[in-house]
Amino acid sequence: QKEVEQNSGPLSVPEGAIASLNCTYSDRGSQSFFWYRQYSGKSPELIMSIYSNGDKEDGRFTAQLNKASQYVSLLIRDSQPSDSATYLCAVNSGSSNTGKLIFGQGTTLQVKP
Amino acid sequence: GAGVSQSPRYKVAKRGQDVALRCDPISGHVSLFWYQQALGQGPEFLTYFQNEAQLDKSGLPSDRFFAERPEGSVSTLKIQRTQQEDSAVYLCASSFTGGRTETQYFGPGTRLLVL
Repeated sequence: QKEVEQNSGPLSVPEGAIASLNCTYSDRGSQSFFWYRQYSGKSPELIMSIYSNGDKEDGRFTAQLNKASQYVSLLIRDSQPSDSATYLCAVNSGSSNTGKLIFGQGTTLQVKP
Repeated sequence: GAGVSQSPRYKVAKRGQDVALRCDPISGHVSLFWYQQALGQGPEFLTYFQNEAQLDKSGLPSDRFFAERPEGSVSTLKIQRTQQEDSAVYLCASSFTGGRTETQYFGPGTRLLVL
């Protein structure tokens, strides 16, 4: 079992719809959770970070964390074609006392005009 | 106000050749991370520096991989006797102190192709 799992997709949504991206992790001691966006051929860029159970909203983005279910998600409202990218879920392992991140394989999102 | 920079951006090496990849972190960032990203996969942790100290090298795949950061700023990832399976994008990231909640800022990566 991979430490951080994501559906590779592609996830295809029409412009203006809500895109829902999901991630599960195996280490119950994990404390910090991040969503990075990566355009093709580019480096990862932080979208959201979340550390406690519940929802965290930033503009069109909402991150949701459920530590009991070991589940973290990212919702993108009013999806735009410019949101088309790979979204990487990253977890800071509970066994690490540094910022070392464990990434999922990423979910490719396609927003169709 | 420059971000993380990496050089070269692209490197083609013949199998068995040694390569050196450079990372310039954001000025003032104490922590520096190296990740390897294979095609279609997420980045995988290689090694971590706090200043000049290499505190975690658990992700280095073999003893052919070596990283250093002698003055606590620029870092070099060296791969000796490259193999085809080393072909990947090598990403460098830096953060202010390396804490668990800190944002890591990624460089553009070095795309290595071993023929």
